Amino acid sequence: GQQLNQSPQSMFIQEGEDVSMNCTSSSIFNTWLWYKQDPGEGPVLLIALYKAGELTSNGRLTAQFGITRKDSFLNISASIPSDVGIYFCAGQLREGTYKYIFGTGTRLKVLA
Amino acid sequence: KAGVTQTPRYLIKTRGQQVTLSCSPISGHRSVSWYQQTPGQGLQFLFEYFSETQRNKGNFPGRFSGRQFSNSRSEMNVSTLELGDSALYLCASSLGARMGYGYTFGSGTRLTVV
Repeated sequence: GQQLNQSPQSMFIQEGEDVSMNCTSSSIFNTWLWYKQDPGEGPVLLIALYKAGELTSNGRLTAQFGITRKDSFLNISASIPSDVGIYFCAGQLREGTYKYIFGTGTRLKVLA
Repeated sequence: KAGVTQTPRYLIKTRGQQVTLSCSPISGHRSVSWYQQTPGQGLQFLFEYFSETQRNKGNFPGRFSGRQFSNSRSEMNVSTLELGDSALYLCASSLGARMGYGYTFGSGTRLTVV
């Protein structure tokens, strides 16, 4: 199936450090979403982006919709232990469709 | 406000059997989408229903089917189960056409095929 290229695949960081991850594609997207998934649970929406160049924050999280519309970035500042989980990006190829393509995920582990 | 409810949470089936999974969306949400999540393939889109009509379908064999009822509840059926169908099946519901209206996932049904 189709997937977005998400990197890094996993990362171990110290508590208090900033984290960056990104998703890239050869396709152009109308919407970018970032989700976090905890073990045994469904993904939870963190941030939604609708316009090229858009920069949106949600607490310590900041995400950007790339100006080429082919990529997106998520930054987490001052990480804390509860940031542990898998982060997914998702892109919507066509407006009005719910067929979202998901990234392969970034597994984040925070060392206290 | 209750979230998206998926039942059952866990299921073990043998090869060749069929299975039906259920999803109750958030009250008022008319769109329900289904995804398959496996360690090797990540999250793969199965299908999306809106007002009882399938609007989008992913690249899965015909053994995977679904439907939506008039109360927006949705079911997904997999016939002739194969070992490779073992996965976490997630459904998500939303009000309308844009994810920002509240595209909420349930906790999933973990299906194990033995």
